[in-house]
Amino acid sequence: GAGVSQSPSNKVTEKGKDVELRCDPISGHTALYWYRQSLGQGLEFLIYFQGNSAPDKSGLPSDRFSAERTGGSVSTLTIQRTQQEDSAVYLCASSPLPSEPQHFGDGTRLSIL
Amino acid sequence: GQSLEQPSEVTAVEGAIVQMNCTYQTSGFYGLSWYQQHDGGAPTFLSYNALDGLEETGRFSSFLSRSDSYGYLLLQELQMKDSASYFCAVTGGGNKLTFGTGTQLKVEL
Repeated sequence: GAGVSQSPSNKVTEKGKDVELRCDPISGHTALYWYRQSLGQGLEFLIYFQGNSAPDKSGLPSDRFSAERTGGSVSTLTIQRTQQEDSAVYLCASSPLPSEPQHFGDGTRLSIL
Repeated sequence: GQSLEQPSEVTAVEGAIVQMNCTYQTSGFYGLSWYQQHDGGAPTFLSYNALDGLEETGRFSSFLSRSDSYGYLLLQELQMKDSASYFCAVTGGGNKLTFGTGTQLKVEL
């Protein structure tokens, strides 16, 4: 059984470029979450998808951030016009139901030059 | 909103018992979770308490007191591989997890 898969594992890009991060949740998991973790810090909630419901976007730090989840499975997090403060590890998690333990991917380490 | 406090660092010797505390302030509360994260790795789920009391899973135990807005993670028979960061997280309204800043556990010989 595959776990949560994220790609790319590392991404280095120039300030001002757009980036797309991908998350493949565990098959059958209805809930999908995106978090951001800066070095030595805790996890900062970004966005949450549950089934076909409208996503909870309350954690997105600015309108440069957006995410979608197609067909209730794969999700992409897009950051437009990247800034240096966007440098962090972006983690995706999924759970069978929202109230159940979350399973995390290994994350995408994003570095903005 | 939610806020959680954890000590930043704890050091203990191999074979010992260590307790890592978590206090929280929350506008909605469904349960307290604990996650372990090794350097460069993904967080992994350890335990979840929805009700007051102690939950035991092998060498790991987690405690919750909702009236005190307090919980702790207890690790027994410490091993070097237990060196990692440990995060508590509150499940609040909307089924979102709010994480603490984590406790870095260092296990020494």
